[in-house]
Amino acid sequence: DAMVIQNPRYQVTQFGKPVTLSCSQTLNHNVMYWYQQKSSQAPKLLFHYYDKDFNNEADTPDNFQSRRPNTSFCFLDIRSPGLGDAAMYLCATSRERGGSDTQYFGPGTRLTVL
Amino acid sequence: TQLLEQSPQFLSIQEGENLTVYCNSSSVFSSLQWYRQEPGEGPVLLVTVVTGGEVKKLKRLTFQFGDARKDSSLHITAAQPGDTGLYLCAGARETSYDKVIFGPGTSLSVIP
Repeated sequence: DAMVIQNPRYQVTQFGKPVTLSCSQTLNHNVMYWYQQKSSQAPKLLFHYYDKDFNNEADTPDNFQSRRPNTSFCFLDIRSPGLGDAAMYLCATSRERGGSDTQYFGPGTRLTVL
Repeated sequence: TQLLEQSPQFLSIQEGENLTVYCNSSSVFSSLQWYRQEPGEGPVLLVTVVTGGEVKKLKRLTFQFGDARKDSSLHITAAQPGDTGLYLCAGARETSYDKVIFGPGTSLSVIP
């Protein structure tokens, strides 16, 4: 039974064309995270929501935005994708905020920018 | 400078061999997690260790948390092709407990 679902699994967009990635969860967790992962590298945290409270990482470009309309759903918007934004985008959830709380990851969305 | 370092970065071994991968830091961690990520998939949690000196076993995988809670190791006995993947350690430092830090990962390839 899927717990963290990401759609689509693969997304192709053109340079500069806005794109939205979707994440949903059935765990009723308070926290939802978005990570960017480039090939064979560690996931890099972009931002997270604790309930409706948005927390942006200091080095996340303005090109990346996020929305969380309800507990279950969270979206990642890339306003003007560049070639350097091609990556795997991972959504994760945890019950509470805090490093000791387990994060559950979705399968990811592989973004290609042409 | 990586707050969490992992070694080796890449490892290619034959089926049936044993291996150990390491996760090291100069900081003390309140907990450490190990994840395995298969190509094209998200990371899947293998284990969480929280107590210094703790040893946990998961079938052929043995995880150890250092006494000082600054390092951890993952030992795989009799590796199988299904063990192939990126092994990530992650954790929360005592001084920044609300933020999870990921290591760069060890990419393991087990050849049949």
